Amino acid sequence: GNSVTQMEGPVTLSEEAFLTINCTYTATGYPSLFWYVQYPGEGLQLLLKATKADDKGSNKGFEATYRKETTSFHLEKGSVQVSDSAVYFCALFSGSARQLTFGSGTQLTVLP
Amino acid sequence: ETGVTQSPTHLIKTRGQQVTLRCSSQSGHNTVSWYQQALGQGPQFIFQYYREEENGRGNFPPRFSGLQFPNYSSELNVNALELDDSALYLCASSLGGDSYEQYFGPGTRLTVT
Repeated sequence: GNSVTQMEGPVTLSEEAFLTINCTYTATGYPSLFWYVQYPGEGLQLLLKATKADDKGSNKGFEATYRKETTSFHLEKGSVQVSDSAVYFCALFSGSARQLTFGSGTQLTVLP
Repeated sequence: ETGVTQSPTHLIKTRGQQVTLRCSSQSGHNTVSWYQQALGQGPQFIFQYYREEENGRGNFPPRFSGLQFPNYSSELNVNALELDDSALYLCASSLGGDSYEQYFGPGTRLTVT
């Protein structure tokens, strides 16, 4: 079956530090890949997506590249802000399964 | 354009009781998926409804059931509540069962005591 493994947290960084959150996946076929963000007390917001190999998703300074050869989709940001503090989820969607499969989430805290 | 809404926001129930959670899909969307997010975990897929029919189901027992109405809103029903059912329940709407563009509501926090 499909599965997503992401870097365990929590991750604590100082403002303006570089962020990487690792994500690898196992899937049949050619899934679409996503990063979602969840702020305290809220639902999930789509941060970025990539639908095929070598695609780069980007939004709000965050980037992730769909690497089929390493089955990875690592999230990066060059300079984090306090407002980026949240839980980040890597996910994949397989059309045949009609469902999103999520990783366990990584808690990010950015200190001023 | 109205986003996905869920009700109630919070709910406290006793073990063995039954609960109904509600979701209104985003305008124009005909598919609703439900997810369970236990504390500190990623969301787990419960099932999906497309045009009022169940269109896929995750690894949840039959006491988790659902409905979708002609206006594409949906209900999640859980019978014989157990302590482990305590979680945030998220619904997501999309256009078509095969669409990866799923938009999430804010969730319903269910606590079972």
